[in-house]
Amino acid sequence: AQKVTQAQTEISVVEKEDVTLDCVYETRDTTYYLFWYKQPPSGELVFLIRRNSFDEQNEISGRYSWNFQKSTSSFNFTITASQVVDSAVYFCALVSGSARQLTFGSGTQLTVLP
Amino acid sequence: EPEVTQTPSHQVTQMGQEVILRCVPISNHLYFYWYRQILGQKVEFLVSFYNNEISEKSEIFDDQFSVERPDGSNFTLKIRSTKLEDSAMYFCASSDGLASYYEQYFGPGTRLTVT
Repeated sequence: AQKVTQAQTEISVVEKEDVTLDCVYETRDTTYYLFWYKQPPSGELVFLIRRNSFDEQNEISGRYSWNFQKSTSSFNFTITASQVVDSAVYFCALVSGSARQLTFGSGTQLTVLP
Repeated sequence: EPEVTQTPSHQVTQMGQEVILRCVPISNHLYFYWYRQILGQKVEFLVSFYNNEISEKSEIFDDQFSVERPDGSNFTLKIRSTKLEDSAMYFCASSDGLASYYEQYFGPGTRLTVT
């Protein structure tokens, strides 16, 4: 069975601070894919990134970066120089083995204060 | 940019009534999904659909639920006899590949309120 844990329920930062959102996953499969989605106050789910289990290279996209560590089963997400528009709920998710269903974590509500 | 659309955006219904939630996936996508999110909780998988049949479903997707692709563009979720606990945001998603790594694109959701 697969599981995704996002231990941080809510995080509040002041604009321009860096913030890291934690994600820990569990799966018995050797092939799996990890995702991050953003859910702004308007409610839609916006795809941010996918990472496969064979590629531990970290990724940077503008102010966003992701740190994948198989040794600790973690796939953390950092926002550098946060902005008010980054305020949203962020979900980490897992697709494992041959299944196609996304298993989501419980989400982290990020609030960026001006 | 192509997107998944869902109608209606908000549906209010009385307990015991049937509801049909509609989705138009991205046109060249092959796999379709329904997820739900009870207010303040995580997003949960309901069902996936490929080649006109269900390929996976969760324990939540019981006999009260059904899915259909009635034509080449729509994908529907029917709840036969709604309960209060069916109140949630329902998301449709689609992906353009068979492999599990294809990212799923989500629609804006339908908020279902059962009174």
